[in-house]
Amino acid sequence: EADIYQTPRYLVIGTGKKITLECSQTMGHDKMYWYQQDPGMELHLIHYSYGVNSTEKGDLSSESTVSRIRTEHFPLTLESARPSHTSQYLCASSDTNNYGYTFGSGTRLTVV
Amino acid sequence: DAKTTQPTSMDCAEGRAANLPCNHSTISGNEYVYWYRQIHSQGPQYIIHGLKNNETNEMASLIITEDRKSSTLILPHATLRDTAVYYCIVRALGGSEKLVFGKGTKLTVNP
Repeated sequence: EADIYQTPRYLVIGTGKKITLECSQTMGHDKMYWYQQDPGMELHLIHYSYGVNSTEKGDLSSESTVSRIRTEHFPLTLESARPSHTSQYLCASSDTNNYGYTFGSGTRLTVV
Repeated sequence: DAKTTQPTSMDCAEGRAANLPCNHSTISGNEYVYWYRQIHSQGPQYIIHGLKNNETNEMASLIITEDRKSSTLILPHATLRDTAVYYCIVRALGGSEKLVFGKGTKLTVNP
């Protein structure tokens, strides 16, 4: 039973469209993260949040933006999708002590 | 956070133990060793973590050398469903907020 949910699972969209990838967790975790992963490649952190109203950029520069208005919700937005944004986006959360990250199933985005 | 070194790939026969090594020679005293795995582009799954004592849970065992410069993840009876990329990560508890994934070890369990 998943405690962190990502929607949609797959998304194919045209260039220039605005998209929002949803991520919600039911564990009450303060910390949430977005990773980007191309097929067969490493995961790269693009955004993270310590809690409500806290957002930080990760190691990999990304044109996406995030918000954290509620503890359980950490959506990622692309204002104008481009083919270079085609990738898998993985959301994760962790508790205060960072004992372990829980990941969602990911959103596989294709921009045509 | 300390850097880790893992073999690129390993093979294991189904039903046998899979022993995945990890070197972390620059580990600091307050850094834990974490193991995650990623099955075919699904989200990574937490397996186990430890500081200096050996740890065991329902998924695996973690053996950490006395000098803490290396560790081994043991899957006691590997199944085909254990085929995945396994990541060894070293980080301080409550320290750096970022979990940095390297290339990991691609474990293939063969029938």
